[in-house]
Amino acid sequence: EAQVTQNPRYLITVTGKKLTVTCSQNMNHEYMSWYRQDPGLGLRQIYYSMNVEVTDKGDVPEGYKVSRKEKRNFPLILESPSPNQTSLYFCASTFPGSTEAFFGQGTRLTVV
Amino acid sequence: AQKVTQAQTEISVVEKEDVTLDCVYETRDTTYYLFWYKQPPSGELVFLIRRNSFDEQNEISGRYSWNFQKSTSSFNFTITASQVVDSAVYFCALSEAPTQGGSEKLVFGKGTKLTVNP
Repeated sequence: EAQVTQNPRYLITVTGKKLTVTCSQNMNHEYMSWYRQDPGLGLRQIYYSMNVEVTDKGDVPEGYKVSRKEKRNFPLILESPSPNQTSLYFCASTFPGSTEAFFGQGTRLTVV
Repeated sequence: AQKVTQAQTEISVVEKEDVTLDCVYETRDTTYYLFWYKQPPSGELVFLIRRNSFDEQNEISGRYSWNFQKSTSSFNFTITASQVVDSAVYFCALSEAPTQGGSEKLVFGKGTKLTVNP
């Protein structure tokens, strides 16, 4: 079954404690991205990756890092989380030219 | 810059009523794609439809229908005979056509929360 898998689904952490949200897709898609969803703001792109070792900033990249060492994985790293990063995060992957994004189930992060 | 506006923040209807969710977009591109996603209370994003800018034909899928009008830059979504299970947040989104080296970013509206009461 084609899918994008995020882990964990829920996470509560403390300010400053580094964390990683994993994202994996089994569709051999080249394009992957991370979005955050906040009330009243919709979804906004954090980072994206066109292929292995090719990443770039989206609209709201501050406070986040990503890596793309393998085609299937695109982890989101918060080196020093802060309460304003409390949000619902989605990973997405897209086959080039299709424009249809496949979304993971979301990760609800709370930073206290 | 691309922009998607969903002016209706929340809508509440009674079951079996028809309801239309509005979406207005802005883009300088001549080729682009429009989407609707549903987000039920469980939180996942459910893909509903994709439309490219060259296809203005309206689409119907069961109780769902979409009206795409380039002249008014709108891509409205109508649910006929609404049901309680339609209660969700609905997002309209816009994407540029993929070009070599270009981003395939989705630009989302802020969403419309639909509540269907029994």
